[in-house]
Amino acid sequence: EVQLVESGGGLVQPGRSLRLSCAASGFTFDDYAMHWVRQGPGKGLEWVSGISWNSGNINYADSVKGRFTISRDNAKNSLYLQMNSLRAEDTALYYCAKLDSSGSLGYFDYWGQGTLVTVSS
Amino acid sequence: DIQMTQSPSSLSASVGDRVTITCQASQDITNCLNWYQQKPGKAPKLLIYDASNLETGVPSRFSGSGSGTDFTFTISSLQPEDIATYYCQQYDNLPLTFGGGTKVEI
Repeated sequence: EVQLVESGGGLVQPGRSLRLSCAASGFTFDDYAMHWVRQGPGKGLEWVSGISWNSGNINYADSVKGRFTISRDNAKNSLYLQMNSLRAEDTALYYCAKLDSSGSLGYFDYWGQGTLVTVSS
Repeated sequence: DIQMTQSPSSLSASVGDRVTITCQASQDITNCLNWYQQKPGKAPKLLIYDASNLETGVPSRFSGSGSGTDFTFTISSLQPEDIATYYCQQYDNLPLTFGGGTKVEI
């Protein structure tokens, strides 16, 4: 059974940093690209960032480019999102999502339950 | 960026009704379109991929069609457990973008 379990969310002041983690199991982690998708309170889904199977292809939404860094450790079956210079508008539930392919484009066939990030003073 | 315009933003229907949601892309995305269901307090769930392919285990009352810029998602006979928000998502190009969502109520 595929499982994606996010952690690392919490309350953080504007300008500070936070690192999210996603622990994956139930599939061959290094065969697939992984992504982060977020959902602001009462809002729709917003793609944040994606990383290919071997970290060779990394992409970001313009809204987080230069502030967020996605990475993965295939030996640990883990995905990460380092979030720096956080802003109030980054407040959201952050989902880890598995792509159906090893590249950058496709559909998300599995999602975690999300970890909540609240940016507020 | 490719904009995805979903309509309606919400709808109310009765059990057994046929429900249709549309999604329009700002440019040709061929069939690179997926549909997700999100129930309150839950993560999104893939229902349809590549515009018209039903994900394994998803009831056959759900279907999708379309290509190019215009897509349709249909629930042939609405069930109480279908109460959710539905999102389209394009993957023709980065950034991956989602429609604004359609909240389905009974």
